[in-house]
Amino acid sequence: AQSVTQPDIHITVSEGASLELRCNYSYGATPYLFWYVQSPGQGLQLLLKYFSGDTLVQGIKGFEAEFKRSQSSFNLRKPSVHWSDAAEYFCAVARSQGGKLIFGQGTELSVKP
Amino acid sequence: EAGVTQFPSHSVIEKGQTVTLRCDPISGHDNLYWYRRVMGKEIKFLLHFVKESKQDESGMPNNRFLAERTGGTYSTLKVQPAELEDSGVYFCASSQDRLAGVANIQYFGAGTRLSVL
Repeated sequence: AQSVTQPDIHITVSEGASLELRCNYSYGATPYLFWYVQSPGQGLQLLLKYFSGDTLVQGIKGFEAEFKRSQSSFNLRKPSVHWSDAAEYFCAVARSQGGKLIFGQGTELSVKP
Repeated sequence: EAGVTQFPSHSVIEKGQTVTLRCDPISGHDNLYWYRRVMGKEIKFLLHFVKESKQDESGMPNNRFLAERTGGTYSTLKVQPAELEDSGVYFCASSQDRLAGVANIQYFGAGTRLSVL
């Protein structure tokens, strides 16, 4: 069965520091990979996705993620965090486009001044 | 363009009562999904509609949950009777049919927070 692991439940970084959120998945083939973000009172917003092709994908708000097949990982990165990035981040996989999403437990990001 | 709309945003009911959640997808989106997040756990898939048909309902927890999508537009999720373990945030998402040539991305609503006391 597919599964997604986000090992860090809560991360705190200083504003301006770099960020990496980890995501590992378990799936036999190459899945469709997503990162979503949820700010308080908001719905989940798609940051970026990987379907095929270049393994380094760029998203909105200055985020990027790299698909590493050998490590079954899809880590999210940002070179310089802003206070407005404080939110909960979810990694998700799907077996097909339009298929159900399997989510990790989420990583809550706090940003300190 | 309006996004996915869910209401109510918050519902507090007593055990044994009935609650109906509503989701209005983005106009023109044939795919509609329901997910749930129980406190402290991951977001879990409940079911998937394509237009008015249930494509995948493998995530529905039991027969106390009934989802409908009348005319392929809005959807309702009824819980009857509600139990304590039904508390959580219920998310709805919608997406275009991939046959339209556009990547099939799920757009989420803000969720309905259900508290069963």
